[in-house]
Amino acid sequence: GAGVSQSPSNKVTEKGKDVELRCDPISGHTALYWYRQSLGQGLEFLIYFQGNSAPDKSGLPSDRFSAERTGGSVSTLTIQRTQQEDSAVYLCASSLGPSGVGTQYFGPGTRLTVL
Amino acid sequence: SQQGEEDPQALSIQEGENATMNCSYKTSINNLQWYRQNSGRGLVHLILIRSNEREKHSGRLRVTLDTSKKSSSLLITASRAADTASYFCASTLNYGGSQGNLIFGKGTKLSVKP
Repeated sequence: GAGVSQSPSNKVTEKGKDVELRCDPISGHTALYWYRQSLGQGLEFLIYFQGNSAPDKSGLPSDRFSAERTGGSVSTLTIQRTQQEDSAVYLCASSLGPSGVGTQYFGPGTRLTVL
Repeated sequence: SQQGEEDPQALSIQEGENATMNCSYKTSINNLQWYRQNSGRGLVHLILIRSNEREKHSGRLRVTLDTSKKSSSLLITASRAADTASYFCASTLNYGGSQGNLIFGKGTKLSVKP
């Protein structure tokens, strides 16, 4: 079956612009995670959704970052007023059950470059 | 802060040799997973080992978990050039408030020379 998909695969934007990154999880997966990977910070957790709810947003690096999930499926990660330090690969993962019990399957990522 | 620390950071071997990568973590875990990443893009899940398991096999992969030492190892036997990639261990924490997110180590870059 189809895996996790993300779009766009690459995004180049100018500092100060807003960007939206999209994640389509595996059908039927209730848990969805956003991570980002940058040279300096490695792989870091951003936010978790169980269904449409994100119980804890403390992993988001600043208030310029927000995320939503609708219909228990597609999620978008929005970065407002992008900064150069936001440049990274943004990875989405989904899993069948809640709270990290099962395997998390990752999408191919969106490489964001902020000029 | 990183939960897992892999060693070595880089490993270069010849095709056919075995590759062993180690991972240590700091706090009590629910499970530990190993992932492979090619060219800095998507992570491919390799194997999951639960905290009550000690060893797991999948094809040429063998993973061990020692909860008393808070460490895990990934062994790739009879390596191939196609195994060249970065390998990450990732754990989910075992406490009530955990969101189940993965906490990654810094990874081991494996290079398998033909």
